[in-house]
Amino acid sequence: SQQGEEDPQALSIQEGENATMNCSYKTSINNLQWYRQNSGRGLVHLILIRSNEREKHSGRLRVTLDTSKKSSSLLITASRAADTASYFCATDVQGAQKLVFGQGTRLTINP
Amino acid sequence: GAGVSQSPSNKVTEKGKDVELRCDPISGHTALYWYRQSLGQGLEFLIYFQGNSAPDKSGLPSDRFSAERTGGSVSTLTIQRTQQEDSAVYLCASSLIAVQETQYFGPGTRLLVL
Repeated sequence: SQQGEEDPQALSIQEGENATMNCSYKTSINNLQWYRQNSGRGLVHLILIRSNEREKHSGRLRVTLDTSKKSSSLLITASRAADTASYFCATDVQGAQKLVFGQGTRLTINP
Repeated sequence: GAGVSQSPSNKVTEKGKDVELRCDPISGHTALYWYRQSLGQGLEFLIYFQGNSAPDKSGLPSDRFSAERTGGSVSTLTIQRTQQEDSAVYLCASSLIAVQETQYFGPGTRLLVL
């Protein structure tokens, strides 16, 4: 398996429900980031959580990080149709000069 | 400009031809990255620039791929003798200083090799 794997691969929920996506990674990290991508184009940064942080909030987004389990979760509360997109986690591996992206979770919000 | 720009937006080429993809990072950003994304897949790291130097070229798939950056700004990714498997969206991103920071992405160039 690869560094930064998202789970599930696809998620479909009703508008107003909460959406939870998970990310697992393999090696020690400095930080973990979540990005969003609409229609296979450029990614938009959502939130960055550092390795010494356990939880972070930004609007309707809540990110948790468990370094002992090498996992992170992204929670989107009160989902809207406009949240439909692919969501990627990215880790910067200690000692490597690059971000490693997972395969992404395709989130569909049904009106 | 306000964000990262890439050109062209779309490129259709014939197998065997060379293509050049351009990236204009956010002004003042010293770090620049190229990624490749195949349909429905995650991002594949290609190369990273710090200023005009490329400390990490490990992601370039073959010697047909090369990239340069001049003046600490614009970067071009060149693919020689394109193959059908090169068809993908090529994404460029920049960050202020280091890879650990937030990366700002351009809209990508969608390359189709016939």
